[in-house]
Amino acid sequence: DSGVTQTPKHLITATGQRVTLRCSPRSGDLSVYWYQQSLDQGLQFLIQYYNGEERAKGNILERFSAQQFPDLHSELNLSSLELGDSALYFCASRGSGGTGELFFGEGSRLTVL
Amino acid sequence: AQSVTQLGSHVSVSEGALVLLRCNYSSSVPPYLFWYVQYPNQGLQLLLKYTTGATLVKGINGFEAEFKKSETSFHLTKPSAHMSDAAEYFCAVLIDSNYQLIWGAGTKLIIKP
Repeated sequence: DSGVTQTPKHLITATGQRVTLRCSPRSGDLSVYWYQQSLDQGLQFLIQYYNGEERAKGNILERFSAQQFPDLHSELNLSSLELGDSALYFCASRGSGGTGELFFGEGSRLTVL
Repeated sequence: AQSVTQLGSHVSVSEGALVLLRCNYSSSVPPYLFWYVQYPNQGLQLLLKYTTGATLVKGINGFEAEFKKSETSFHLTKPSAHMSDAAEYFCAVLIDSNYQLIWGAGTKLIIKP
């Protein structure tokens, strides 16, 4: 158990819809990273937050947005969903100590039909 | 530009045989290097990491990796494969002060009985 909690574990929805994925980082971790994993694209970094502020953006579509709340949990919002958005979405939190180790949740599997 | 290359999207070895998963990187700064493992239907888990100091790094489950600066490599090895080692393995390099990682494409390790 990494200590990072993601909900829901599975989600099936239709094209055009909007979903919200939730992540609770490990206790005490201030950084949250979101990744998308698909068969054709591999592991893609989406966005990073640190203590409520956006720190870095990767290959995140404009239809996607995220935020980190004062209690440090984070949400990833995916809207106007397309078939190609079907993927595993991982959240990770970074421990302190400066070596960059990430702790991953078990992921949210999104299926868009 | 910094990059990580994992040679072989799939590697198949017999149970009891040597496991060798290759990772080459390019980095403009002294690298922090990581190997993560992803078991089926799970999130990624840190296997081992190199930051500074000893270039031979030991990780969990009997895996180790050697940082070779002259070859810009960080290959992962295990002397004797077990069926439970079947998973996908990702090599990553830390690239900036936001603790962003550049990820390899992953190598699926298949263990033959």
